[in-house]
Amino acid sequence: DIQMTQSPSSVSASVGDRVTITCRASQGIRGWLAWYQQKPGKAPKLLIYSASSLQSGVPSRFSGSASGTDFTLTISSLQPEDFATYYCQQAHSFPLTFGPGTKVDVK
Amino acid sequence: QVQLQESGPGLVKPSETLSLTCTVSGGSISSYYWSWIRQSPGKGLEWIGYIYYSGSTNYSPSLKTRVTISLGTSKNQFSLSLSSVTAADTAVYYCARHSQRTGDFDYWGQGTLVTVSS
Repeated sequence: DIQMTQSPSSVSASVGDRVTITCRASQGIRGWLAWYQQKPGKAPKLLIYSASSLQSGVPSRFSGSASGTDFTLTISSLQPEDFATYYCQQAHSFPLTFGPGTKVDVK
Repeated sequence: QVQLQESGPGLVKPSETLSLTCTVSGGSISSYYWSWIRQSPGKGLEWIGYIYYSGSTNYSPSLKTRVTISLGTSKNQFSLSLSSVTAADTAVYYCARHSQRTGDFDYWGQGTLVTVSS
């Protein structure tokens, strides 16, 4: 199985801050990576697919990038509704696997 | 707008079989892959498996011996069956639409908590 790790596990930030979350795959997955946002009691919501493509309806302050087996989710200017937990997911091979999550909370 | 809704018992006894159904509305089940995913505090998000509208399936190796995903009796339903459950199977279970082209999950149900306890 491909293992996904995320760092940091949590980050405290303020509205307006630039937030960067990193996800690393245990082997090459090319661009087969998605990012999700999850709020308490809700299902995950797809933000980014194919490493850098913005899902329809997702604000442009969210962006994704890739470098080898490292992937980055950036929130350019954190908004109040962005406090949540973020997960990456590799879509390269089965079984599909998720990262452990990064919680973004209020500083 | 595609919507998914899980349904089924919220409490299952150890060693019994967990059964859930996902009802898809606002779109056809045809031409898509449909997955089950669960989330527990101890293991995070775990993909269980998918079914294609044709009936073909793919399961996670860690659950393969206990899982069956099938198309429902109703045209826009699919189901999950997990046998011989233990407390470790306690989780929120989600159904989701799985994009075969990009491999992500673009539509999710709200999730249903299933507790395994006697």
